Amino acid sequence: EDQVTQSPEALRLQEGESSSLNCSYTVSGLRGLFWYRQDPGKGPEFLFTLYSAGEEKEKERLKATLTKKESFLHITAPKPEDSATYLCAVQARAGGTSYGKLTFGQGTILTVHP
Amino acid sequence: GAGVSQTPSNKVTEKGKYVELRCDPISGHTALYWYRQSLGQGPEFLIYFQGTGAADDSGLPNDRFFAVRPEGSVSTLKIQRTERGDSAVYLCASSPAGGPGELFFGEGSRLTVL
Repeated sequence: EDQVTQSPEALRLQEGESSSLNCSYTVSGLRGLFWYRQDPGKGPEFLFTLYSAGEEKEKERLKATLTKKESFLHITAPKPEDSATYLCAVQARAGGTSYGKLTFGQGTILTVHP
Repeated sequence: GAGVSQTPSNKVTEKGKYVELRCDPISGHTALYWYRQSLGQGPEFLIYFQGTGAADDSGLPNDRFFAVRPEGSVSTLKIQRTERGDSAVYLCASSPAGGPGELFFGEGSRLTVL
């Protein structure tokens, strides 16, 4: 069974204080790893897709990296508007898993104080 | 803005009642997904449509849950004999085609079963 575990559950930062969120996964052949951002009362918003170990993607203050067992979301000099829940999800390749099925972690709640 | 539209945004019902939740995807998107999100958890896969057919319904928890997409656009998630454990936010997403990549989520329908 595919599993995704995110840590920490919650993270409080001061504005400008860089940090990283962790996503550990076990999957029967990784097709893709995804990062989403979710604001309260809203649906998740896509950030990145990573396909293979060593791959990196960047967007503004965010950088996502991938190894064979985990992914990191690095946040550089965060601002209060970066406060949200960050979700990691995997899509398995093996066993005929459809393209539709993502397995999500429970998320990391990030709060950035001014 | 022509994002994914879900109705109702909130639904309160009594145990044992029948509920329908509607999803209107982004125009031209052939793939449609239903996920369920409980408080403090990540979204959980329910069902995936490619066109009019359910390509993967492995996430439906039992036969009280059913979803249709008769014309390949709007989808309805139907829940019979609701139980208190069905209370959650039901998220719909769409994408241009099935495959690993960006899912566009709606804001969800919050279902409360009393």
